[in-house]
Amino acid sequence: AQSVTQLDSHVSVSEGTPVLLRCNYSSSYSPSLFWYVQHPNKGLQLLLKYTSAATLVKGINGFEAEFKKSETSFHLTKPSAHMSDAAEYFCVVSDRGDDKIIFGKGTRLHILP
Amino acid sequence: GAGVSQTPSNKVTEKGKYVELRCDPISGHTALYWYRQSLGQGPEFLIYFQGTGAADDSGLPNDRFFAVRPEGSVSTLKIQRTERGDSAVYLCASSTQQGSGGNTIYFGEGSWLTVV
Repeated sequence: AQSVTQLDSHVSVSEGTPVLLRCNYSSSYSPSLFWYVQHPNKGLQLLLKYTSAATLVKGINGFEAEFKKSETSFHLTKPSAHMSDAAEYFCVVSDRGDDKIIFGKGTRLHILP
Repeated sequence: GAGVSQTPSNKVTEKGKYVELRCDPISGHTALYWYRQSLGQGPEFLIYFQGTGAADDSGLPNDRFFAVRPEGSVSTLKIQRTERGDSAVYLCASSTQQGSGGNTIYFGEGSWLTVV
């Protein structure tokens, strides 16, 4: 069965500095991996997804993530944080052949002025 | 519609009452999911439909929870004898096929249920 661990429940960075949100996964098969963002009182929005093509995935709003099979990681990065990036971020995994998608517990990103 | 639509957006009910939450998926999407998100937690899987049938209902917490999708489009999540612990945001999502194929899953904005 698949699972996902988000290593930090809260991350604070200053505006204009890099963002790193960490995610490790466990999967029996070749996984699909996603990052979703949830702004306060808003629905979940897909940032990016990995589905066994290029290991470096570019998403919306300048975010990207790299799939590293040897480390079972799928960390989310952005070179320069913006105030509008403050939100909850979820790492999500699904196994090939399984219909469930499993969410991590989320990382709340705080942007300091 | 343009996106996944959920109604009501907010529902306050008394303990012990029956509640129905509705989800209208994106037109043409055959896969439909229900998730529950408690405060400070990630979404928790409840049930998944492929067409009219429940392909996986292993996430339903107990027999007070039931979901239907009779015509393969709109789905209703039904909660009997509500308890205060049922208070959460109930999220519906849909995709063109099974999510495991890497197809994007689109979420609605959720139904906020408060049991008092």
